[in-house]
Amino acid sequence: QTVVTQEPSLTVSPGETVTLTCAPTAGAVTPLSYPAWFQQKPGQPPRPLIYEVDKRQSWTPARFSGSILEGTAALTLSGVETEDEAHYFCLLFFSRPRIWVFGGGTHLTVL
Amino acid sequence: QVQLQESGPGLVKPSDTLSLICSVSNDSVSRQNVYWNWVRQAAGKGPQWIGRVSANWDTTYNPSLRRRLSVSLDASKNEISLTLRSVTAADTATYYCARGVTSPYWGQGLSVTVSS
Repeated sequence: QTVVTQEPSLTVSPGETVTLTCAPTAGAVTPLSYPAWFQQKPGQPPRPLIYEVDKRQSWTPARFSGSILEGTAALTLSGVETEDEAHYFCLLFFSRPRIWVFGGGTHLTVL
Repeated sequence: QVQLQESGPGLVKPSDTLSLICSVSNDSVSRQNVYWNWVRQAAGKGPQWIGRVSANWDTTYNPSLRRRLSVSLDASKNEISLTLRSVTAADTATYYCARGVTSPYWGQGLSVTVSS
């Protein structure tokens, strides 16, 4: 069974920079994994933030950036704001057997 | 602006079949090279990708659901459908349809409870 792991929780202070990571239990993330990131706040549906490694949705602030670092997908928040406190889920595509798998999510606390 | 709207029963009995519809506006489910997806999220848990279908009927399913699942499209109605057989309480979740799972085009979600 394909599993994607993320840090369960992270805590950061406003203004700091934090990087969330996303990795499959087997293999490495490549551009063909089409990594994507979603933000979810309580009571709201998941909101797409980043797709195809580093492309921002129209509403995604510039302080959010996506990348691939040493075989893992990464979401970096530069200059964290209190409104960024949320759950963040990554999503990876696996070419065999052509399925998408969400990560378990990272709860980001800003205080 | 592409819009998607899920519809179906909010309550299903255990062992019954869950059937959901995703109605698409301002786009065509017959568009080539587009995959229409279903995603669900149980309360307090992360999202789970369920499966997808394209206009040429290329379908792929989450392996954990494959034996109970069918995803199809109806071009005449411009709809996507999901059928999940032999449901249990573990299938209780909010179900979303999405035009391309990483796209901004998601439905609002439909809450489904499996209970007798």
